[in-house]
Amino acid sequence: NAGVTQTPKFRVLKTGQSMTLLCAQDMNHEYMYWYRQDPGMGLRLIHYSVGEGTTAKGEVPDGYNVSRLKKQNFLLGLESAAPSQTSVYFCASSYQNLAGAVSQYFGPGTRLLVL
Amino acid sequence: GDSVTQMEGPVTLSEEAFLTINCTYTATGYPSLFWYVQYPGEGLQLLLKATKADDKGSNKGFEATYRKETTSFHLEKGSVQVSDSAVYFCALSDSVLSAGKSTFGDGTTLTVKP
Repeated sequence: NAGVTQTPKFRVLKTGQSMTLLCAQDMNHEYMYWYRQDPGMGLRLIHYSVGEGTTAKGEVPDGYNVSRLKKQNFLLGLESAAPSQTSVYFCASSYQNLAGAVSQYFGPGTRLLVL
Repeated sequence: GDSVTQMEGPVTLSEEAFLTINCTYTATGYPSLFWYVQYPGEGLQLLLKATKADDKGSNKGFEATYRKETTSFHLEKGSVQVSDSAVYFCALSDSVLSAGKSTFGDGTTLTVKP
């Protein structure tokens, strides 16, 4: 199993450009998440999904959109990139367990630089 | 809301030293607690977890005990190695109703010198 994969690994954008980050998981997990990681600020949840066709806002959703058309994929879009969106983006997935909370499985990250 | 507070870093230790990274939490329910580790250039990976009070999670020589009375989940290792150099995140997940969402601390950077 590849686990959680992210595409691309690194990207440079100019202000105003758009792009889509792709996350794929092969563990049949119901839940998927997009985070951004900035120095000294830990991980902040951007958007998440509890299943195919559903998405919800996280802590810092402004400037981002997401879609989950297939259970295994979760896309993060930037319609008009801004320098403040320079960050490392992580995708994660998890599964439902009625016996208690479970951990998340993370991808390797996408480094985005917006000039 | 839920929150996690971690010991501020960076932490620098010599090889074979004892490690403690403090973590305290605030939660309304009965959360599960996690420690994740992030090696340079990689994503986070689960190091250990505990799902109820007094549980001890352990892995690769690291340990942490879920202390409900002090709302703490401190990470310890008796003898660190250079290969333990990484960023460590404490996290909690509040209930099965939270869609698996977790609250993370800001991370503590550990550097181990030979």
